[in-house]
Amino acid sequence: NAGVMQNPRHLVRRRGQEARLRCSPMKGHSHVYWYRQLPEEGLKFMVYLQKENIIDESGMPKERFSAEFPKEGPSILRIQQVVRGDSAAYFCASSPYGQGSTGELFFGEGSRLTVL
Amino acid sequence: DAKTTQPPSMDCAEGRAANLPCNHSTISGNEYVYWYRQIHSQGPQYIIHGLKNNETNEMASLIITEDRKSSTLILPHATLRDTAVYYCIVRPFGSGNTGKLIFGQGTTLQVKP
Repeated sequence: NAGVMQNPRHLVRRRGQEARLRCSPMKGHSHVYWYRQLPEEGLKFMVYLQKENIIDESGMPKERFSAEFPKEGPSILRIQQVVRGDSAAYFCASSPYGQGSTGELFFGEGSRLTVL
Repeated sequence: DAKTTQPPSMDCAEGRAANLPCNHSTISGNEYVYWYRQIHSQGPQYIIHGLKNNETNEMASLIITEDRKSSTLILPHATLRDTAVYYCIVRPFGSGNTGKLIFGQGTTLQVKP
């Protein structure tokens, strides 16, 4: 059973371009979480999605950032008009369990975005 | 905000037990204690979790005090590959909780030869 797959692993964008980060959860997992880790800082929760629904986006910046988890295909974190401060590692985690469960989250290896 | 307090760093000799403390004095009855670690900027890795009883698995043991206000993660025989940032997290369960993890600053464990 493959783990959580994130791609690209490394992405370089110039200021003003768009970045799309993809996350394929583990097989059978329908819950996806996105986290951001700025250089030398801790992991910050961004958004929690179930298939076709955003459940909790309390950690998402209000502008330029969006996320989706369609019925088919991977979850996508989209950053429009990137700025240098968006340079970070973005981690995706998945879980087969519903809200309120005690099951652990399984993390991918992350996508590292560099904005020039 | 994280509801836990951990020392920023610790050292441990290779082959010895590593005991990582965590304070969670405001923990609620519907919150579990979870431990994750992050090795050199890799994705976080689940270690163990517990509610009020001590727990053990192939990676570690978790000792939770009777009042549940603190806990200790024990790596019984630390190796160099255990060098990582260890995060202690309290996470609510039950209806209305999303299951998200709120990470604090963690403890950087350095295992030395």
